[in-house]
Amino acid sequence: AQTIHQWPVAEIKAVGSPLSLGCTIKGKSSPNLYWYWQATGGTLQQLFYSITVGQVESVVQLNLSASRPKDDQFILSTEKLLLSHSGFYLCAWSLGGGSDYTFGSGTRLLVI
Amino acid sequence: TQTVSQSDAHVTVFEGDSVELRCNYSYGGSIYLSWYIQHHGRGLQFLLKYYSGNPVVQGVNGFEAEFSKSDSSFHLRKASVHWSDSAVYFCAVTGGSGNKLIFGTGTLLSVKP
Repeated sequence: AQTIHQWPVAEIKAVGSPLSLGCTIKGKSSPNLYWYWQATGGTLQQLFYSITVGQVESVVQLNLSASRPKDDQFILSTEKLLLSHSGFYLCAWSLGGGSDYTFGSGTRLLVI
Repeated sequence: TQTVSQSDAHVTVFEGDSVELRCNYSYGGSIYLSWYIQHHGRGLQFLLKYYSGNPVVQGVNGFEAEFSKSDSSFHLRKASVHWSDSAVYFCAVTGGSGNKLIFGTGTLLSVKP
């Protein structure tokens, strides 16, 4: 069975500090991977997607970057956090086309 | 450009009632329409999707949705809700490549006992 794991579960970080969020998918070869951001009480905004190792497409510029160093790993990061980065970050995978997305449990980030 | 709109921010019903959550979309080409559920503070779970064929699609936990091309709609329904159905429901649309899943603003469903 496929599993998707996000880490950490939650973070409290200072403005200007670096950030790294991780996502690992097990049990599925070469999935499409996605990062989403959700403001508190808001909708989901797609940030990045990747269809293969080493290739990442940016959907929205929020002073964040993403990388896919391995087939099963997707990393979201920034060198300097902003207050506006606070929110809920969700990783997801799919097989592309019209297949449904499977989401992780998310990482809750508070920037102070 | 794909857009999805959910006109109701909050819907409140009693347990055992039927409910319809509305979703309208705009897109010029072939699309996949889907519904996801998010319980408080959790990740999203897939409910159902439509691409072609029978416009009424069945999902998990007794949910179904009906596609209407003339109305550009994909409303979600359930005949008898349970308190555990309380959650935020998101309608979503994606094009052929499936690489950009665009969500609506969500509808909070509150089920009272």
